Amino acid sequence: GAVVSQHPSRVICKSGTSVKIECRSLDFQATTMFWYRQFPKQSLMLMATSNEGSKATYEQGVEKDKFLINHASLTLSTLTVTSAHPEDSSFYICSARTGNTDTQYFGPGTRLTVL
Amino acid sequence: GEDVEQSLFLSVREGDSSVINCTYTDSSSTYLYWYKQEPGAGLQLLTYIFSNMDMKQDQRLTVLLNKKDKHLSLRIADTQTGDSAIYFCAEVNTGTASKLTFGTGTRLQVTL
Repeated sequence: GAVVSQHPSRVICKSGTSVKIECRSLDFQATTMFWYRQFPKQSLMLMATSNEGSKATYEQGVEKDKFLINHASLTLSTLTVTSAHPEDSSFYICSARTGNTDTQYFGPGTRLTVL
Repeated sequence: GEDVEQSLFLSVREGDSSVINCTYTDSSSTYLYWYKQEPGAGLQLLTYIFSNMDMKQDQRLTVLLNKKDKHLSLRIADTQTGDSAIYFCAEVNTGTASKLTFGTGTRLQVTL
């Protein structure tokens, strides 16, 4: 149980394009989903927290107009990187939790490369 | 903000026990977690411990928590080459909207 998937697993795009990453909880309802960014050989950096049906809460320094987050259902959250630039290249990981536990279950991650 | 620290690297021989250590500063932590990350993959939840527990054992994994010293450890018995990965400890304080604070990660290398 507690499986989280992400799609795509890897994406390469040109500078200036927008990229959408999906995060799905496959066997449970996720009241809260989290989006992280991980640079090589570093720990995870929380970007934002999204609760189903409400606006995401962004961490300090994360541009909400750059990283659009939608959590329209209890099993799906999307992260759209708008007008991507090479500095946005990174490993993006989502996680999900149910309402009655603090435990987060992580997706397999999405490797974004912006040329 | 709260801080979680780990040593960067640990090398052990196959069959030996591994002990990965973690220190944290949040005295109000409610849960503490250990996650495993293999290259190019997401995080796999290994185990967690509630803050009012001292020890938890799950097969080859033993978690020890010293709340007074704010010290958490993960012991892996009979370490195998498949255990080679980065291990992250993380803590959560329910009062912070369930945000996880991660350690820096410890790279475990298992040699033959």
